[in-house]
Parts: sequence; C-alpha cells; structure tokens
Amino acid sequence: KAGVTQTPRYLIKTRGQQVTLSCSPISGHRSVSWYQQTPGQGLQFLFEYFSETQRNKGNFPGRFSGRQFSNSRSEMNVSTLELGDSALYLCASSSWTGIYNEQFFGPGTRLTVL
Amino acid sequence: GIQVEQSPPDLILQEGANSTLRCNFSDSVNNLQWFHQNPWGQLINLFYIPSGTKQNGRLSATTVATERYSLLYISSSQTTDSGVYFCAATDPNTGNQFYFGTGTSLTVIP
Repeated sequence: KAGVTQTPRYLIKTRGQQVTLSCSPISGHRSVSWYQQTPGQGLQFLFEYFSETQRNKGNFPGRFSGRQFSNSRSEMNVSTLELGDSALYLCASSSWTGIYNEQFFGPGTRLTVL
Repeated sequence: GIQVEQSPPDLILQEGANSTLRCNFSDSVNNLQWFHQNPWGQLINLFYIPSGTKQNGRLSATTVATERYSLLYISSSQTTDSGVYFCAATDPNTGNQFYFGTGTSLTVIP
C-alpha cells in the first residue's frame, strides 16, 4: 500500500497571502488529521476529518480551515498568513475502526512565511 | 486534554549502549504510539502499543495502561538511531486527536 502523501513538500509565502496544503491518506483510510509542528509549541492538533465531516478541532484561529473530499483526500487552508505560521504541517491517516486506530503520518509540508 | 510528559528530554549515548525512554500520561489514554522523527521531519511509526509489550529487532516497548506510562527500550544503539522520539496517544473522550509529548532527542556517537 502506498503511504500518506502530502503536497507540496516545501512552500515559501509572504505575510498576508493564503496557502492550501494537500494530503492523500492511505487507501481505505477515512480519517485524516492535521498537525502543526513548531520549535516553540511542539506538535499541535489542528483538526480531524472523517467521511467529509470535521469531527474534531484544535485551538487554532479561524484562519486555519480544512475540508475532506469523497475520496478521503484532505486539504487545509491558511488565510492571511502570519510569520508565526511558519511550521511543518503534518497529516495523519487512520482507518478508525473504533478499537484499533493506528495513525500513519505523511512526510509533511514545510511552510516558510516571509 | 491529556498532558504527556517524556523523559529524558535529551540523551547522548555511545554506540552500542542501551537506553530507556519514558512517557507518562495525566489520564487514561488509548491508541498509544511511539514515533521516530527522521531528519526530514516525517514521523515514522515504531509501535502501536495501547497495552502490553512488543518487540521489533533492537527496539521494544511496554505500556502499563493502569499506571499511565509507556517505555521504549533501545538496545545496542547505532548512530542511525539518532533523532527525536515521540510518544502520543488519544483521549477516549475526544476521538482521534493525538496528544504528543515534547520528545526525547537522542544522539548516538560512534
């Protein structure tokens, strides 16, 4: 099985711009979660989508949004970028059987905001 | 949410040495996993271990769910083991959200 893929891998934007990141989960996985990793805050949960519905959301401003398509691919969008949004963005997929729920991470998208 | 404490924060080992990394949780958790973050940032799955003991080569892990901790053992360490190790788990009350520890940075010197 192919692993979790994320595009693009690297991105440079300027303050005020917006950005869209994409995540394709492992085939058959219906749950996709997004995380932000920064040196100061560590790994923080952004949101989780399951069957095209946002099921859980972390403590991030409304500038951070996401969606999931019928094929389980997910996108996250950050509008009005700030310098502090520079981070590694990771997505994870899982099958979510309710009992067994191992999560697998993609390679990440490294976003730099200038 | 759940608080996750990892110790030690930093570890320097001579090649061939053994080590134990610990993860403590503030409350009951499920879906506990250990990861190794490679130099490019990807989190590589080491163990899915909500309870019990598992072994994979030189690595093994034990989770004592009733006492809210998990241990990762690395034996005969190699320079390729260097990197940051994270434990993470989900809260039974908040679905699929992972709570991560702050990681243990391991450096193995030849």
